[in-house]
Amino acid sequence: NAGVTQTPKFQVLKTGQSMTLQCAQDMNHNSMYWYRQDPGMGLRLIYYSASEGTTDKGEVPNGYNVSRLNKREFSLRLESAAPSQTSVYFCASSEISGGPLNTGELFFGEGSRLTVL
Amino acid sequence: QKEVEQNSGPLSVPEGAIASLNCTYSDRGSQSFFWYRQYSGKSPELIMSIYSNGDKEDGRFTAQLNKASQYVSLLIRDSQPSDSATYLCAVKGRDDKIIFGKGTRLHILP
Repeated sequence: NAGVTQTPKFQVLKTGQSMTLQCAQDMNHNSMYWYRQDPGMGLRLIYYSASEGTTDKGEVPNGYNVSRLNKREFSLRLESAAPSQTSVYFCASSEISGGPLNTGELFFGEGSRLTVL
Repeated sequence: QKEVEQNSGPLSVPEGAIASLNCTYSDRGSQSFFWYRQYSGKSPELIMSIYSNGDKEDGRFTAQLNKASQYVSLLIRDSQPSDSATYLCAVKGRDDKIIFGKGTRLHILP
């Protein structure tokens, strides 16, 4: 089982360049998430998608855009990269969206390490 | 802004002892609570989830939830060197967004 697949795993950008981080899951999950992790900061939610065609801002959405292309794929785009966006980015998905019985367990990709010079 | 607070540590515990990790959260409407373990350079992995007040045990791990106090904890009994990692508390609100604390670094002393 592939689970959650993120590409690329490593990327170096120059300030002002743009790029898209790709994420795909094969578990038929409705909910998908993008987080960033900086040293000592835990995981901070960038954007969330409850289902295909819907997205919602998280804790730190500025400088990012997302697209929920279909149920499997959720991409994160940096339009004009800044050094403050140097981080490890994690995509995650979870089973069942909404309702009191939603377990909410997150399944993570391996992470994408982004450096902006 | 919803918040999840954890002591960043490091928390040092002798091998074989009980490690106690704590977490508080600000959103009273939160529904589900999770503990993830993360080794350096790796993705987080779920070790415990809890949804109702009280204790939930799974092997050496016990999660405790007190919604009135907005408090969730994780106990690790018979701590092993392999338990050395960062432990992340996560909370799911009514909007299905899952927010993490900054994590507690745990170091088990051989």
